[in-house]
This record gives sequence, structure tokens and C-alpha cells, in this order.
Amino acid sequence: DQQVKQNSPSLSVQEGRISILNCDYTNSMFDYFLWYKKYPAEGPTFLISISSIKDKNEDGRFTVFLNKSAKHLSLHIVPSQPGDSAVYFCAASASSGTYKYIFGTGTRLKVLA
Amino acid sequence: DSGVTQTPKHLITATGQRVTLRCSPRSGDLSVYWYQQSLDQGLQFLIQYYNGEERAKGNILERFSAQQFPDLHSELNLSSLELGDSALYFCASSPLGQGNQPQHFGDGTRLSIL
Repeated sequence: DQQVKQNSPSLSVQEGRISILNCDYTNSMFDYFLWYKKYPAEGPTFLISISSIKDKNEDGRFTVFLNKSAKHLSLHIVPSQPGDSAVYFCAASASSGTYKYIFGTGTRLKVLA
Repeated sequence: DSGVTQTPKHLITATGQRVTLRCSPRSGDLSVYWYQQSLDQGLQFLIQYYNGEERAKGNILERFSAQQFPDLHSELNLSSLELGDSALYFCASSPLGQGNQPQHFGDGTRLSIL
């Protein structure tokens, strides 16, 4: 049972345009969500998080939106840069219980110069 | 640099063998997590330790075990290795092991079973 889903394995975007990466979850107990970026041969790097008490969190070029009723979150990168090319994972956790993260399978973003 | 150190970076061994993967968390972090990433898969949570005690278990096989030592470093032991155990193994750490704190990852150990 895949509780966190990233249905787009890959995405290509022109440099300077917006990248939108999507993530869906099924467990209504999840109340904390994160995005990680991963380059080849490196570990995932934390990008941005959002608590379920918010519907938007912004950090520079990165914004995460949370739609609790749809159990959907998205990561917007504006403007996209070639250095953003990486695999992006979303993750979710429930603050009650074991605190473990459930990760999606990732979306490979390619930003074209 | 996340501050989480994993050794070795690469490990090649044969079926039936046993290996130990090591992780040093970020300075000040009390909780350590282990994940497995197989080809084209997401990160699968294996186990979490907090200040030396096991806190949560995921889909960890009985052939696998882990521990966290008093100096807070952790080791993941994999025994009776099978071809399917070939994967990237990541360690992550966080300050208090709570679900609303980001985990910071090491660069992983790539395990190849021949």
C-alpha cells in the first residue's frame, strides 16, 4: 500500500519557467510534509517542509502548497534553473505515532538551458 | 554537507555473507534512521533509534539488525545476504526524532551482492 504517491516519474521544464511537482497521499493522519532533492551519488537534501496547519510555505524560489481536502501537495520552483535538475522526493509523517517518514518514489526534474 | 557520515561508500560482497554499515549523525542529533533504496524505488524506512533505544521499526527483515551506541553512532548489520539486498542504504539523523523535524541524510552506502 503506497501511502505517498508521485505519479510523474519525470518532468522537463525550460530554464526560467515554473516547475510544478506533485504528490498525493492517502493517510489522513499525516500532518507534516517535506520535499527533498537528490543528486546522483549524494544523499537526499532537505528543501522545504509544511505543517498541516498551513496551506503554503515559501522559501526563496521554492513554495510548497498543501490541499488537505484533496490530500495533495505540490512544490513550485520559480524560476527554474539548470542546477535544479535532480530527483525530488516528497515525504509525509504523522506527529502522533512513530514519526517515521513515508517517501514517494520521486520525480526526476530536468531543467533545459 | 549534511553532517551525517556514512561508511563505507561502496561495498561489494557475495551471497550468504554479512556486512556492517556505519553511520555518524550530525553533531547534537539524538535520533538516527536507516532507509533502503532499491533501483528506481523510493526510500523505504527500516528502523529508527533515539538516544540508544529503538523507537520505530519499518519493513526491516529479520536478517537485518541495527543498534545505536552511547556515542550516538549507529550500525546496520545485514546477514545471510541475498541478491535482492543490493541497494543504497541511507542513514539520516534529526535532533529529537520527532515527526515534525527534518531528517538530514548521509550520502549512503551502495551495497552490491554478487
